[in-house]
Amino acid sequence: EAGVTQFPSHSVIEKGQTVTLRCDPISGHDNLYWYRRVMGKEIKFLLHFVKESKQDESGMPNNRFLAERTGGTYSTLKVQPAELEDSGVYFCASSQVAGATYNEQFFGPGTRLTVL
Amino acid sequence: EDKVVQSPLSLVVHEGDTVTLNCSYEVTNFRSLLWYKQEKKAPTFLFMLTSSGIEKKSGRLSSILDKKELFSILNITATQTGDSAIYLCALRDDKIIFGKGTRLHILP
Repeated sequence: EAGVTQFPSHSVIEKGQTVTLRCDPISGHDNLYWYRRVMGKEIKFLLHFVKESKQDESGMPNNRFLAERTGGTYSTLKVQPAELEDSGVYFCASSQVAGATYNEQFFGPGTRLTVL
Repeated sequence: EDKVVQSPLSLVVHEGDTVTLNCSYEVTNFRSLLWYKQEKKAPTFLFMLTSSGIEKKSGRLSSILDKKELFSILNITATQTGDSAIYLCALRDDKIIFGKGTRLHILP
C-alpha cells in the first residue's frame, strides 16, 4: 500500500515568489494534517482537514498561507508571497477515520522549502 | 503554552551502548504520548503511551510514561548503527505537539 506522498521533495524559490506544495494522503484516509519544521525548532502543527473541510487551522502562521483539499483527496498548501522565514520542511500526515478514538497519523517524507 | 522538551538534543555513543532519551512536557490535556524515529525523511511511529507506569517494548526499544512527574523515557539497549536517527517525542490530542527531538548517532 502506498504511503503518504509529497511533491516536490525540495523547492528553492526567491522571496516574493509563490510556491505550491502537494500532499497525497493514503487512499481512504479522511484526516489530513500539515506540519512545518523551521530550522532549529520543533515540528509544528499548521492545520487539519477532515475530508474537504478545515477542522482546525489554528497553526497557520498568517494569511500568506492557503491550504485546500478540494474533493477530500489530495491537498495543496500555497505560500504567496513567500518570505525568508517560511523556509523549512513541510510535512503532511494522514489518518484514517474521522471521529475515531485513536488514529495513527502516517507522515509523508516532507517537502523542503528554501526561500532565498 | 503547551510544551514538549527533549533531552539531550544530541547524543553520540558507540555500538553496543545503552541509551536513554528523555521527554518532559507541560501540556494540559492530551490523549497519548508518542515516540517517533525520523531517519532521512518521514517520522515513523514507534510507541504510543497512554497509561502511567506501563512499559511498552519492541525488540531493543522500550518506553514508559510517568504522568505524575510529566515525563517519558525511551530506552535503546545494545545500540546498532541503524539506530542512528532523530527521535521525536510528541503529545497527541487531535493535533500533535512535537518536541525538538534528540539526534542520536551510533559509532561503529
